[in-house]
Parts: sequence; C-alpha cells; structure tokens
Amino acid sequence: EDKVVQSPLSLVVHEGDTVTLNCSYEVTNFRSLLWYKQEKKAPTFLFMLTSSGIEKKSGRLSSILDKKELFSILNITATQTGDSAVYLCAVEGAGGTSYGKLTFGQGTILTVHP
Amino acid sequence: NAGVTQTPKFRVLKTGQSMTLLCAQDMNHEYMYWYRQDPGMGLRLIHYSVGEGTTAKGEVPDGYNVSRLKKQNFLLGLESAAPSQTSVYFCASSRSSGRAYNEQFFGPGTRLTVL
Repeated sequence: EDKVVQSPLSLVVHEGDTVTLNCSYEVTNFRSLLWYKQEKKAPTFLFMLTSSGIEKKSGRLSSILDKKELFSILNITATQTGDSAVYLCAVEGAGGTSYGKLTFGQGTILTVHP
Repeated sequence: NAGVTQTPKFRVLKTGQSMTLLCAQDMNHEYMYWYRQDPGMGLRLIHYSVGEGTTAKGEVPDGYNVSRLKKQNFLLGLESAAPSQTSVYFCASSRSSGRAYNEQFFGPGTRLTVL
C-alpha cells in the first residue's frame, strides 16, 4: 500500500521567516511527486517532480526530490501572510491500476503571522 | 472555461437518506476522481474513472457508488448516509497522457453533514 507522510503537521512562523516542509513516501514503482497548496477551498497545483536532485522553483517557493532517500522538501523563503495554507504532498505510482492515481499525505498547516 | 465544478456546495442529510453529488469538467479530461477530506487525514480517494463508462474503487469506497455515463460528468452517490460520511468531498480530473498529465485539477468541494 502506497504511503505518504508529511512533517511537521503544523507550523507557525512570522513574516519574513524561511520554512521547510517535508514529505517522505513509500510507493510501488514511483512515477512522480506533486505539491499542492490548499487555502479555503480546492487544492491548487504547485510543482511536479520526477527526477532526483533537480530543483523546481517558482518565485519564493522551491522543491527538490531525493529518490534514493524517498523524500521531498518544499521551501518557502521570505514568507508572507498569503502563504498561510495547507500544503499537500502526493505521489503517483506507475503501472497497473495505480496509473494516474495520487496518494496524498496528511498535509502541513502553515500559519504566517504579520 | 469553468474547469471543474461541483454541485451542491453544501448539504445536510439525516442518517439513512440518499443523495448524489455531481461533478462536471469542461477540459475534456479522461480521468476523474472523487476524494474525501477529513481533519488531519489529507485527501483520500473514494472512487475514480479512467474513461467514460468505467469506474474503479479507491482507498475508501465503502458506502459510496459512482457512475460515469458521460465523459464530462462523474457522479458520487450515497445510498444510505451515515454520520461517518460527514466530510468535505472533492472532485478532480486530469489528462491521460502528455506533459504533466497527472496534474489533477480540483473542484471547489462539497461540505456534507450527516446528522
């Protein structure tokens, strides 16, 4: 059974701080790992990672994957109150009935205070 | 282009009642999914579909049924609602191939309370 574990479960910081969110996984025939941001409603896509060691970057957010150690991190620098959200990590296993299906972690609740 | 839409947005049921949640997407996606989200448990897959006329069980399928009669619609049914089905339900869709094919696009969610 595929499994995704995120840590910490919640985090409170002040504006300007840098945060690192962790995601570890166990999956049969790993295909990709995705990060989503969820504010009030639907999760919105941030990154998809398939190759180990290659950083994906978008503004103040960046993410990297380590396929050997089976984890990914999401970094947010110079945090703003608008970064307050639940950050979800999901992995996709390849082949058979798992194709296209994502297994999600519990999420990390990030709160950024002014 | 509305993306993924869900109806209704909110619903309150009594134990034993039935209802159907409707998901519609206008992106011509092959794959569609139903998830439930409970506090501290992330998103859990209920059922999914890889094409019109096909459905499959996910992680937590008990108590739910689905149908995909048209490519753009995916229905989730509760035949006899139970308090344990109180949750927020999300529908999602994705392409079946191509770049970032597995990026799932989510609807706004349906908040269901079963009394």
